[in-house]
Amino acid sequence: DTAVSQTPKYLVTQMGNDKSIKCEQNLGHDTMYWYKQDSKKFLKIMFSYNNKELIINETVPNRFSPKSPDKAHLNLHINSLELGDSAVYFCASSQDPINSPLHFGNGTRLTVT
Amino acid sequence: AQSVAQPEDQVNVAEGNPLTVKCTYSVSGNPYLFWYVQYPNRGLQFLLKYITGDNLVKGSYGFEAEFNKSQTSFHLKKPSALVSDSALYFCAVREEGNNRLAFGKGNQVVVIP
Repeated sequence: DTAVSQTPKYLVTQMGNDKSIKCEQNLGHDTMYWYKQDSKKFLKIMFSYNNKELIINETVPNRFSPKSPDKAHLNLHINSLELGDSAVYFCASSQDPINSPLHFGNGTRLTVT
Repeated sequence: AQSVAQPEDQVNVAEGNPLTVKCTYSVSGNPYLFWYVQYPNRGLQFLLKYITGDNLVKGSYGFEAEFNKSQTSFHLKKPSALVSDSALYFCAVREEGNNRLAFGKGNQVVVIP
């Protein structure tokens, strides 16, 4: 059973399109995250929700919008995709936002052409 | 502001030799420290954490790390490296009162048979 699953695994699309990435965790965790990993493997936090409430909203373009319909799901919608959005996007979850380790999904590789 | 430094880009070690991956941190208050490992095309996996207590922390797959407050370091160690330990290792820190986790740039470990 996959603890944190995200779909799709690969996403290839053209500039200007709108796309969504879905994430689900079956660990019963209260906190979920979206991270972006660039081509140099740097990890950057984008958003975090705790009990469906947005607690971290980093400086990302407002073309990126997270949505958490319930504690087990956190989706990421991206409007008007740009070349620079190409990266691997990771969803993660944790029991709480302070002391608990993060459990990561296997990532969605987004390629914008 | 909290930050993590992983000074080396790549660590090469012969199979069976001790492995050390270095990490230093900077925080305003007490640090919460984590190590994660990333295998190719996978999400990060939690190895171990230091919150409080004993300075020597033992984690998964035979890894351990020592918290050194005076040197602000949290180096990851394994007494005898395996070829399967070849991966990307990330150190991360969260200072007390901050709900954001700051990741280092990652260290590629190559274990040579």
